[in-house]
Amino acid sequence: GAVVSQHPSRVICKSGTSVKIECRSLDFQATTMFWYRQFPKQSLMLMATSNEGSKATYEQGVEKDKFLINHASLTLSTLTVTSAHPEDSSFYICSARDNRRSYEQYFGPGTRLTVT
Amino acid sequence: AQKITQTQPGMFVQEKEAVTLDCTYDTSDPSYGLFWYKQPSSGEMIFLIYQGSYDQQNATEGRYSLNFQKARKSANLVISASQLGDSAMYFCAMRGNYGGSQGNLIFGKGTKLSVKP
Repeated sequence: GAVVSQHPSRVICKSGTSVKIECRSLDFQATTMFWYRQFPKQSLMLMATSNEGSKATYEQGVEKDKFLINHASLTLSTLTVTSAHPEDSSFYICSARDNRRSYEQYFGPGTRLTVT
Repeated sequence: AQKITQTQPGMFVQEKEAVTLDCTYDTSDPSYGLFWYKQPSSGEMIFLIYQGSYDQQNATEGRYSLNFQKARKSANLVISASQLGDSAMYFCAMRGNYGGSQGNLIFGKGTKLSVKP
């Protein structure tokens, strides 16, 4: 099956620093990728939709200047959490939609961010 | 607006027995897709099964089957012959085919399934 990787899987950073999370589709092309956030014992909430070669679409309440998304190629999207604070600590999961199969969406393994 | 409702925060099932996880949805889209994902403690989202709104038959994938009742807007997941490894969070999700979100998934709150030996 299709594989999506995320790097890093875990990151601990100090308050005020920035963290970049990569999402890669390994064996398929993805014009569209999605970034979700999951707090402990809660569901996944969509943060933004990332489109290759264009600006991301952010969901209401998500600060686009804080969560920078770049989708520079058909296999890579990055999420940068800028000036991270402890309340940004969460599980971030990306998914990628296979260009060949419109309904298929594959999830990465997630990145657990802890801001101290 | 689209919405997914999972009313069971937690469920217990005896090993080797079947269990049904409930999911109801609401959408005004005429065409949509319904998904079930499993999330073990490691956090990865594992795709289990998909049902398209126009599919005539209920989807099945091995031990997983989806009881799709379109008029009731329900898409319950049935796991047969439960195994200890089935213990995990289960999320029901919906994808619409229209709108500006380009087909992102909307998730329910999830059901934590615990399989007892």
